[in-house]
Amino acid sequence: AQSVTQPDIHITVSEGASLELRCNYSYGATPYLFWYVQSPGQGLQLLLKYFSGDTLVQGIKGFEAEFKRSQSSFNLRKPSVHWSDAAEYFCAVGAASGGYNKLIFGAGTRLAVHP
Amino acid sequence: DAMVIQNPRYQVTQFGKPVTLSCSQTLNHNVMYWYQQKSSQAPKLLFHYYDKDFNNEADTPDNFQSRRPNTSFCFLDIRSPGLGDAAMYLCATSRGRQGLETQYFGPGTRLLVL
Repeated sequence: AQSVTQPDIHITVSEGASLELRCNYSYGATPYLFWYVQSPGQGLQLLLKYFSGDTLVQGIKGFEAEFKRSQSSFNLRKPSVHWSDAAEYFCAVGAASGGYNKLIFGAGTRLAVHP
Repeated sequence: DAMVIQNPRYQVTQFGKPVTLSCSQTLNHNVMYWYQQKSSQAPKLLFHYYDKDFNNEADTPDNFQSRRPNTSFCFLDIRSPGLGDAAMYLCATSRGRQGLETQYFGPGTRLLVL
């Protein structure tokens, strides 16, 4: 069965520090992969997505993610975190189901940023 | 600028009293989704509409129903809410349902069942 695991429930970093959020997926075929961010009181917003091509994909707000097929991972990174990045981050896989793709989300990683 | 709007943002209902949550979109997207997100858990797809075609997830309880009277609006009806239905309900839209289609989410409605 398809699944997404985000091993870190909470992460705290200092402003200006680098960030890496982990995501592992289980999917039989080549996956469609997504990262969404949910700020307090807001809906989920797409940061980036990947299916094929260069395994390092750039997104909005200075985020990037790297697809590693051998590790079934799609980790999200940012070189220098800003206080406004404090939010919850969700990794998702687009899984084929009955002729269409549906998103299967991980449980999320909550990011806190210290000044 | 609001693209996916959910009303109300907070809803309190009583155990067993029917409740309706609403979602509207200004994107003219073909697909509208309803997700349930319980505390510290992943959003879970309940069902979606592709135009007027309703697609229920296999494990969605019968207690949950949906209506889409036109392209812009979609409703989530909970016929007899139980305490376990307290959650954040997220509405999302997309142009299509294939591949790398982006889903656009509303801010959610938090449902409390007393």
